Amino acid sequence: GAGVSQSPSNKVTEKGKDVELRCDPISGHTALYWYRQRLGQGLEFLIYFQGNSAPDKSGLPSDRFSAERTGESVSTLTIQRTQQEDSAVYLCASSPYVGGHNQPQHFGDGTRLSIL
Amino acid sequence: KQEVTQIPAALSVPEGENLVLNCSFTDSAIYNLQWFRQDPGKGLTSLLLIQSSQREQTSGRLNASLDKSSGRSTLYIAASQPGDSATYLCAVSRNDMRFGAGTRLTVKP
Repeated sequence: GAGVSQSPSNKVTEKGKDVELRCDPISGHTALYWYRQRLGQGLEFLIYFQGNSAPDKSGLPSDRFSAERTGESVSTLTIQRTQQEDSAVYLCASSPYVGGHNQPQHFGDGTRLSIL
Repeated sequence: KQEVTQIPAALSVPEGENLVLNCSFTDSAIYNLQWFRQDPGKGLTSLLLIQSSQREQTSGRLNASLDKSSGRSTLYIAASQPGDSATYLCAVSRNDMRFGAGTRLTVKP
């Protein structure tokens, strides 16, 4: 399909394990975002990639969280030494960047992460 | 720090009614404001994006307005339908994006 693809769709893991979440953006979208949505709460911004610029990491909640993106393609969000409070849906979005403005974001269906 | 507030938190209306969802933000230095729809178990669907230089955007039965100086946006839904039932989120962006907690809309047949 032509949409944003995230994998896995569900992940259950034990506390203390590392997890890696993947996002395949829409081809040609230079901007890529990661968000977290805890149960019953609003969406939290985590990190923003724009082309080859340094990413905006201001939303990462701790140094256990990191994300990488190679060029304008796939991104991975890594959570090390997972804690129960990391349980959430992790959403990825991508958008074109035209004329100095971000365009509407297209979201994946998210990865539901459950830490036991 | 940018704070985004959405009122009401939940809204239930009979089918056919026109309705307004409200969004307010504390820092008017934004690049754009976006309204999203979120269905249970799904990612977000972008509905309308208003650049900071614009006052409103329309798509079908949806109309979104932006008053940047007062830090307010409204999403107007005309002739509501049961299929409009979802959570509606507004988000403002500058270098990052800040979301409101959403309004959960139920349209009853």
